[in-house]
Amino acid sequence: EPEVTQTPSHQVTQMGQEVILRCVPISNHLYFYWYRQILGQKVEFLVSFYNNEISEKSEIFDDQFSVERPDGSNFTLKIRSTKLEDSAMYFCASSEALSGYGYTFGSGTRLTVV
Amino acid sequence: KQEVTQIPAALSVPEGENLVLNCSFTDSAIYNLQWFRQDPGKGLTSLLLIQSSQREQTSGRLNASLDKSSGRSTLYIAASQPGDSATYLCAVRPDQAGTALIFGKGTTLSVSS
Repeated sequence: EPEVTQTPSHQVTQMGQEVILRCVPISNHLYFYWYRQILGQKVEFLVSFYNNEISEKSEIFDDQFSVERPDGSNFTLKIRSTKLEDSAMYFCASSEALSGYGYTFGSGTRLTVV
Repeated sequence: KQEVTQIPAALSVPEGENLVLNCSFTDSAIYNLQWFRQDPGKGLTSLLLIQSSQREQTSGRLNASLDKSSGRSTLYIAASQPGDSATYLCAVRPDQAGTALIFGKGTTLSVSS
């Protein structure tokens, strides 16, 4: 069964450093998403991406965040200057259609900022 | 602002029992609703998606219902098994134009053998 692949599974970084979280969505999917889940909290929407541009973003997705699809397969989330409160599980997801059918999540990257 | 609430937060049942998980949302104007399963340290697996025009969806032992007017959805699990132990998340998509899913905090289910 097709999967969304995220790397790394766990990343530890120092406060103020830049991190890039990587995702390989399912190949025929057109919509890509990043969500995060702080420990013990709800899964929160960050951003959606379609046709090489951001289609929607939440209040959380401020100027320190950016997304990119550098080639035909990868989808990345960059956090420019990490803060302690950025520590969370970050999930990438993709869907084949805007309807949400085929919405598939990756296993996540646990980001720990120290 | 749409809020999604799931009750109970945790549930323990013996194997074989039928059970119901509840999800409520504050704004009834939704585009669709999904139920996901989350295993510890893993991603989310989509179980069922109900469009706003639908009343229910079934997949195997799972049945999800939607009552949009009252802002409620239920996930019914028949003949529970230890392998069903996981956290079940409900998520709504507020409108067709938007892409974001708004999640509840989940119900953690434990099925004992």
